[in-house]
Order: sequence, then structure tokens, then C-alpha cells
Amino acid sequence: GAVVSQHPSWVICKSGTSVKIECRSLDFQATTMFWYRQFPKQSLMLMATSNEGSKATYEQGVEKDKFLINHASLTLSTLTVTSAHPEDSSFYICSALKQQGGEQYFGPGTRLTVT
Amino acid sequence: QKEVEQNSGPLSVPEGAIASLNCTYSDRGSQSFFWYRQYSGKSPELIMFIYSNGDKEDGRFTAQLNKASQYVSLLIRDSQPSDSATYLCAVTPDGAGKSTFGDGTTLTVKP
Repeated sequence: GAVVSQHPSWVICKSGTSVKIECRSLDFQATTMFWYRQFPKQSLMLMATSNEGSKATYEQGVEKDKFLINHASLTLSTLTVTSAHPEDSSFYICSALKQQGGEQYFGPGTRLTVT
Repeated sequence: QKEVEQNSGPLSVPEGAIASLNCTYSDRGSQSFFWYRQYSGKSPELIMFIYSNGDKEDGRFTAQLNKASQYVSLLIRDSQPSDSATYLCAVTPDGAGKSTFGDGTTLTVKP
């Protein structure tokens, strides 16, 4: 297996503020990471693909100016939710792609609550 | 038609029984197939992957792939209550690309 960490595991912020979530692959290098969002009792929803050293690719309907992604190294990708609103409250999960096999290893997730 | 389809369930089996989870996919060129387990309130965890037609066994889990029928399944033998979770099927067009996930099948194993 492989280990992916996320920080913070949960965060509460006020409406209008920004929140940064970090995703790290601890024991392998990941040129590609993914960011997902999941609402209670719903499916995983892919938000964007994060590529080391290049711009992220966003899924249709995901605002790139609101969800800023930076993949500055082979082990770290960050997601910043800017000007957060209560409807952004969700479970945000990252995964790192293990290039050799194509399998994804997920971080433990970050639960965001915007008040 | 969804690209990856799973029965949403819930699928309920008694403890000790075999649980059979099924997944069909639409892209005939798909190369890599994965099963993830997600407990309520937690993130998904990779439990099996398979690339070639046939069966692949790992402990109590067996993944089965039939590319001609565009079908992949996961069998859980001697099911335990701790296996109760949502199981996600994921399909990747090539070895290192973005996976498409099914919506998941919720499994309940009753003691």
C-alpha cells in the first residue's frame, strides 16, 4: 500500500474566509493527485486533477478561481477554498496516483464546515 | 448510461456468507480496474486491483474481470460485520489515468 495524509482533518471557518487543505504522499512520489468532494450519503465527486509543475485540470462546473490548486512538489498538493460559503461545507478528499499501477491512494479527508 | 454502473443496494448478507458485488463499464478500451471500500464518514481505501481477465484472489477477497462482457466483480468470502461498508468500483482507460468511479454498492453483513 501507500500512505497519503491530509491536513487539517477538520476545519470550521466563517463565511467569506479562505481555507487551505494540504495533501501529502508520504512514501511515494505522485506527479498526479486528485481532489474530490463528497456530500453526506452521496457519491464521490471529482473536482480537479492536480499535476506537479503545471496547472490543474478542473471538472465541468467546478470554479477554478474558487478552488485554487497548487501542486508544487511530487509529494504535496494544496486546495484552497476561497471566499467560502456555507454551501461549500463538505468532506474534501485527496488521492495520489501511483504511476506504476494506476491505483489511487486516498487521504483521510478534511471535513469543512463554513458558518 | 453511466460509464461505470453498480447496484446501489443495499446488499444484505448473513455473517459467514459470500457477498457478490458487481460492476459494469462502458469503455471497452479500459485497462485497469479497482475496488475501494469506504466506511461511513471515512475516505475510500483500495482493497483490490485487477488488470487481466480472470480471477485475482487476496485473502477473503476475489476480483473477477471479464473484458468481453465489460464486467468486473468482487467476491467477499466468509463475510464479517466489519465488511459492512460501501464498495466502489473504479475503471481507468489506461494504466495511469484518471479513474471513473461507480456510485458504490452498500453492503451490510448481519451477525
